[in-house]
Amino acid sequence: KNQVEQSPQSLIILEGKNCTLQCNYTVSPFSNLRWYKQDTGRGPVSLTIMTFSENTKSNGRYTATLDADTKQSSLHITASQLSDSASYICVVSAKGNRLAFGKGNQVVVIP
Amino acid sequence: KAGVTQTPRYLIKTRGQQVTLSCSPISGHRSVSWYQQTPGQGLQFLFEYFSETQRNKGNFPGRFSGRQFSNSRSEMNVSTLELGDSALYLCASSLAGRQGAQNEQFFGPGTRLTVL
Repeated sequence: KNQVEQSPQSLIILEGKNCTLQCNYTVSPFSNLRWYKQDTGRGPVSLTIMTFSENTKSNGRYTATLDADTKQSSLHITASQLSDSASYICVVSAKGNRLAFGKGNQVVVIP
Repeated sequence: KAGVTQTPRYLIKTRGQQVTLSCSPISGHRSVSWYQQTPGQGLQFLFEYFSETQRNKGNFPGRFSGRQFSNSRSEMNVSTLELGDSALYLCASSLAGRQGAQNEQFFGPGTRLTVL
């Protein structure tokens, strides 16, 4: 079983609307959690990073939350734009040298 | 500062052949990690190099190997290619940190490998 589960696998949203992506993990002991955005044909780019003590982090229209007790994170996209069409990958670091990757949320924004 | 560069960007090979992919990290970055990305499996860690030494390794067969040079540039080699090796191979560099640290990884654009 994958240590990082993301949902929904894919979604289509209208331009200007908000959406929320979910990431549940079982990685332990937890070190930090990152959300990456990957445009088609490009490498992933880091959006946010959160450690155990942080529960909210924003980067422009992207807001990530973390509940380390329930081992859940979400990425909220506000007022979506066509350029938000991408795959969003949740990556959880364990203390030591382990990274666990989710399979990504595929977001398509339509006009 | 230039980003991570990978060459070639696209590659088509046939089963049984071997391939070498190249990655140039961001200047000053000493850690280079390689990943395989497929639609079904997502990103999977191959290995990490730091100061010319393999520091971590994922669960891939011995056909996958790599090395890092003194200038931090890295190469990845896949021998006896199989159809299932078709994927996007991503390289990521970071300053020095171990994977579990907050040291951010910067990804290259990837090499799209197609095995026929």
